[in-house]
Amino acid sequence: EAQVTQNPRYLITVTGKKLTVTCSQNMNHEYMSWYRQDPGLGLRQIYYSMNVEVTDKGDVPEGYKVSRKEKRNFPLILESPSPNQTSLYFCASSYGTGGIHLHFGNGTRLTVT
Amino acid sequence: KQEVTQIPAALSVPEGENLVLNCSFTDSAIYNLQWFRQDPGKGLTSLLLIQSSQREQTSGRLNASLDKSSGRSTLYIAASQPGDSATYLCAVRRNDYKLSFGAGTTVTVRA
Repeated sequence: EAQVTQNPRYLITVTGKKLTVTCSQNMNHEYMSWYRQDPGLGLRQIYYSMNVEVTDKGDVPEGYKVSRKEKRNFPLILESPSPNQTSLYFCASSYGTGGIHLHFGNGTRLTVT
Repeated sequence: KQEVTQIPAALSVPEGENLVLNCSFTDSAIYNLQWFRQDPGKGLTSLLLIQSSQREQTSGRLNASLDKSSGRSTLYIAASQPGDSATYLCAVRRNDYKLSFGAGTTVTVRA
């Protein structure tokens, strides 16, 4: 089954404790991206990658890191999480760089206390 | 920076009524525009994608139009059903490959 898998689904952590949210897709997609969703603000793009070893900042990259060492994986790293990073995070992937429908994971709800 | 606005934020209609959802964007230099559906606790499901050179796309009861010059897109859902209850989001892919989303319109279809 074609899918984008995020783990974990729920995560509660404390300020400053490094964490990684994993994202994996099985569709051989070139494009992968991360978003955060906050009430009233919609989804905002954090980082995106157009292929292996190619990443670029979205609109809200501060406090986040990503890597794309393999085509199927695109982990999101929070080196020192803060309470303002409490949010619902989504990973997505698509063929090419923009012409094909995005496929989304089911989300990771992160709480930073 | 691209700003995407969806009005209204919420909408409640009786079953069978046609739905009209609006999306406006500030920068007409777009690559494409997509409409998504989001169910509670779930990710987003792509409904329709309109390339910048197209005026509309149709899929079943759904029809989306795009007017780049005025910075507007409209999603029409014909003969609404309770199963159409969800949040609908539009997203604009800019020419720099970044994606900007609206905050969404939450639709409730009453049986």
